Amino acid sequence: IAGITQAPTSQILAAGRRMTLRCTQDMRHNAMYWYRQDLGLGLRLIHYSNTAGTTGKGEVPDGYSVSRANTDDFPLTLASAVPSQTSVYFCASSPRGQGSYGELFFGEGSRLTVL
Amino acid sequence: GQNIDQPTEMTATEGAIVQINCTYQTSGFNGLFWYQQHAGEAPTFLSYNVLDGLEEKGRFSSFLSRSKGYSYLLLKELQMKDSASYLCAVLDSNYQLIWGAGTKLIIKP
Repeated sequence: IAGITQAPTSQILAAGRRMTLRCTQDMRHNAMYWYRQDLGLGLRLIHYSNTAGTTGKGEVPDGYSVSRANTDDFPLTLASAVPSQTSVYFCASSPRGQGSYGELFFGEGSRLTVL
Repeated sequence: GQNIDQPTEMTATEGAIVQINCTYQTSGFNGLFWYQQHAGEAPTFLSYNVLDGLEEKGRFSSFLSRSKGYSYLLLKELQMKDSASYLCAVLDSNYQLIWGAGTKLIIKP
């Protein structure tokens, strides 16, 4: 049972470099989300997708982009990484999209350090 | 602004009972969630409350008072494996999830 798989689990990156965090789910969930988690702060939504082919901006979208070409994959790209993007990134999915109750299922996280 | 408040850290003894409080001020309310997160791991769903009252699920119970903007998570018969962070999150009127910073629960033998 895989659920949600994120890659890489950890990465150190030089500022200015481009980076894509991968997220794949095998639960056929409609909605997918990218969050960042920083010490002392709650999870903050970066981008979301209610269904394949659609995406939306969350609370902190600047510097990040996403795509949802199919149901299973939801990659997050940092076009030009900056130190403030050092964080733990969680991908999540839910059977239903925003607008209805849906328990979130999280991946194991990707720890990103930008130097 | 929207705000979720939880204590930063709590300590309890194995076998005891602990109550983790969460107060919220959000634009509308469509439900409150509790998640458990062990250190270095992903959050996992514990409970969902949308109506006032107590929801019991084994050793864990969650209470909601919408008029007071208040919830608590009650953990009974504490075990060492309950050492984790507990995250409170509210679904606001726009169906956006607003997350608290989490409460780190330390269980001592």
